[in-house]
Amino acid sequence: GESVGLHLPTLSVQEGDNSIINCAYSNSASDYFIWYKQESGKGPQFIIDIRSNMDKRQGQRVTVLLNKTVKHLSLQIAATQPGDSAVYFCAENRANAGGTSYGKLTFGQGTILTVHP
Amino acid sequence: DADVTQTPRNRITKTGKRIMLECSQTKGHDRMYWYRQDPGLGLRLIYYSFDVKDINKGEISDGYSVSRQAQAKFSLSLESAIPNQTALYFCATSDGHTLYNEQFFGPGTRLTVL
Repeated sequence: GESVGLHLPTLSVQEGDNSIINCAYSNSASDYFIWYKQESGKGPQFIIDIRSNMDKRQGQRVTVLLNKTVKHLSLQIAATQPGDSAVYFCAENRANAGGTSYGKLTFGQGTILTVHP
Repeated sequence: DADVTQTPRNRITKTGKRIMLECSQTKGHDRMYWYRQDPGLGLRLIYYSFDVKDINKGEISDGYSVSRQAQAKFSLSLESAIPNQTALYFCATSDGHTLYNEQFFGPGTRLTVL
């Protein structure tokens, strides 16, 4: 079946380093992707999104790259800080044939990011 | 997100009991969702509602029911709780008037079924 998945379940980095979290998806019809951050005891929080007509999108200290050829998505965090420690999920959203989004998200497994001081 | 609240935040119950989890939102969104999260897994969709009169099953709806009492309220019920329903439950909302609609999540309810 269709799925959104992550390559690495855990990632440990030193404070100040750059972090890269990867995500693979199998549905070529996917046209919208979101990265969420989930801190312990909290619900997922939106970080950044990207549409399938884009290859790259930048936010504050974060960049999302989309490679549609290999169905791969990555989240880059610059100058990682201890407060970035969390679980990161990629999620896929797909517009229906009528061009209006169902709004249903398919989530990947998640990557645990640990930032060491 | 403080605009999406869930009650209770924690609940311990026994097998066979009926449980209701409640979700309220002040974001004015028309769409609401219920997810469950298990250790090592992403969030899985239980039910979703695109407006008060529209209720749809998600990928894991068996053993659950929902009620959309108003645009701002969406409750999830476990008619007869069983231990494998022990999980974190999240409510989310989104604005259906935009094509690419970000979902906003509540703080979650931790449910333990003994």
